[in-house]
Amino acid sequence: LAKTTQPISMDSYEGQEVNITCSHNNIATNDYITWYQQFPSQGPRFIIQGYKTKVTNEVASLFIPADRKSSTLSLPRVSLSDTAVYYCLVGDMFSGGYNKLIFGAGTRLAVHP
Amino acid sequence: NAGVMQNPRHLVRRRGQEARLRCSPMKGHSHVYWYRQLPEEGLKFMVYLQKENIIDESGMPKERFSAEFPKEGPSILRIQQVVRGDSAAYFCASSPPIQETQYFGPGTRLLVL
Repeated sequence: LAKTTQPISMDSYEGQEVNITCSHNNIATNDYITWYQQFPSQGPRFIIQGYKTKVTNEVASLFIPADRKSSTLSLPRVSLSDTAVYYCLVGDMFSGGYNKLIFGAGTRLAVHP
Repeated sequence: NAGVMQNPRHLVRRRGQEARLRCSPMKGHSHVYWYRQLPEEGLKFMVYLQKENIIDESGMPKERFSAEFPKEGPSILRIQQVVRGDSAAYFCASSPPIQETQYFGPGTRLLVL
């Protein structure tokens, strides 16, 4: 499984857009990119997943350049409740096998009033 | 649509006792994963199970830890003769047979006194 690198922490203010970039230089052809969000004392929550270009859902957008060696999670107009740890993971999601997710330390996002 | 359920949410044990952690996957999900999270760290994979089968236990400590996912009932993570180093949050995740995105439960926080 490809290793990922992301900033340890980020700070933002309410109403701003937050972009968290993740590097995955060794991503394989079959790997997808998945982002999870974790609040204190809770389990990780699936946010978004993509393979290439751009994916958008009601929570976030995921931008993946053509070389797929990095990806950016974009959170529009963050609020205090978006304060959490965000994990970027890569893996082969649809091989019909399974995927033991490898979590790094994640990015601790602090949203300030 | 109930999510992944784990119980108990908090468990206190004295050194040498046994801890049993239960996980009920989402409806329709036949794959169960267990992860352990130490404070300020990311989740670490422990074991992957399907009904009545352990598929990958490469992340399980060699001694005292066992897991099962019986034909009927929840998946169980069992820790025998607990030690203080076992204190952590234990998360269960489940996924459907084909699409591999994992959905996490709220976790069980084990404290060994």
